[in-house]
Amino acid sequence: QVQLQESGPGLVKPSQTLSLTCTVSGDSISSGSYYWSWIRQPAGKGLEWVGRIYTSGSTNYNPSLKSRLTMSVDTSKNQFSLKLSSVTAADTAVYYCASYALYGDYLEYWGQGTLVTVSS
Amino acid sequence: QSALTQPASVSGSPGQSITISCTGTSSDVGSYNLVSWYQHHPGKAPKLMIYEGIKRPSGVSNRFSGSKSGNTASLTISGLQAEDEADYYCCSYAGSSTFVAFGGGTKLTVL
Repeated sequence: QVQLQESGPGLVKPSQTLSLTCTVSGDSISSGSYYWSWIRQPAGKGLEWVGRIYTSGSTNYNPSLKSRLTMSVDTSKNQFSLKLSSVTAADTAVYYCASYALYGDYLEYWGQGTLVTVSS
Repeated sequence: QSALTQPASVSGSPGQSITISCTGTSSDVGSYNLVSWYQHHPGKAPKLMIYEGIKRPSGVSNRFSGSKSGNTASLTISGLQAEDEADYYCCSYAGSSTFVAFGGGTKLTVL
């Protein structure tokens, strides 16, 4: 069973860069079975897909976030990361990392989520 | 505004069946058999309940079933139980530009 755990600052100032890391256990991030994905949920709202990265480093981003988003993979640490620049209060959300099945296009395993608040 | 449309809320009594709809377009739900459904209890990790429209992951009760007709996918929960009370989200592959579309979520209340 794959387990994922998000980590990173819970508070980010407006205009700065939000950085989160997801640590994967129970599977190698290089296994090739999954894309590694981020999803977020603003308070009181629904889920929003942020983006995904493959072990090769190939990425697909939500078009609405693409200009501010960078995702990366660190296979030596079995981690993948998210950087979202120029944040505003609208980026305040619970951020989840998840494994995105390569075949079938579904989010099979999820982390518990981490709240990131954008505020001065 | 979410790409896929779900009812904001549904309710049912224990033992009853309910169906949650998820309406998309010919660019997402209608074009691919790649709809998935997630159960989300607040404060917990979302849980995959249905994938590829109709398949259940190992360990998910057979009270949960999925279907699709045209641009609308549906999740049916039969024999409602108190523990089914949660938010439910549909999700679909949406092509090589948008990639993933979520529904706005449906709050299920077990009366």
